Amino acid sequence: KQEVTQIPAALSVPEGENLVLNCSFTDSAIYNLQWFRQDPGKGLTSLLLIQSSQREQTSGRLNASLDKSSGRSTLYIAASQPGDSATYLCAVRRSSNTGKLIFGQGTTLQVKP
Amino acid sequence: DAGVIQSPRHEVTEMGQEVTLRCKPISGHDYLFWYRQTMMRGLELLIYFNNNVPIDDSGMPEDRFSAKMPNASFSTLKIQPSEPRDSAVYFCASSFRDPSYGYTFGSGTRLTVV
Repeated sequence: KQEVTQIPAALSVPEGENLVLNCSFTDSAIYNLQWFRQDPGKGLTSLLLIQSSQREQTSGRLNASLDKSSGRSTLYIAASQPGDSATYLCAVRRSSNTGKLIFGQGTTLQVKP
Repeated sequence: DAGVIQSPRHEVTEMGQEVTLRCKPISGHDYLFWYRQTMMRGLELLIYFNNNVPIDDSGMPEDRFSAKMPNASFSTLKIQPSEPRDSAVYFCASSFRDPSYGYTFGSGTRLTVV
């Protein structure tokens, strides 16, 4: 059974700091992995999608990497801003035959001005 | 487009009552997902549809839960009878052509069963 774990559960950093969020999964046979952002009281917004054949994806100040063999992904946020404060969730999709995503519990990030 | 629209935003009901949650996906999206989010279990997929047909309902907790998608622009999730342990935020999401792309979530319905 696929399990997705995110560490740490919460993180507080000063504005301007670069930071890394971690995601690990127990079964390396995945189709792709996504990182989402969730603001309080809101739904999730997709940030980055990495296919199993890819090593990383970048969007602006965000960079997500994938090491499928070790069951790990990281989300790197450069020059963090207070507006980055949110909960970040990673989710894996097992195969192309299913639309089901399995989510981690998330890391709640607070960026202090 | 207004995005994925869920109603109501908040629902408080008494144990044993029937609850119906509603979702309008983004026009043209052919996948629709129902998720439940709790502090204890995080975000879990309940059921998803492709072209209005249920594809995977293995996450539906028990027979008290049912979901329908009578047409491409509307879906319901019904709980009958409701129990306090059903209290959670229920999210609807939709995507186009491939479940991974254009994944858009609604703002959720916060359900409290007392």
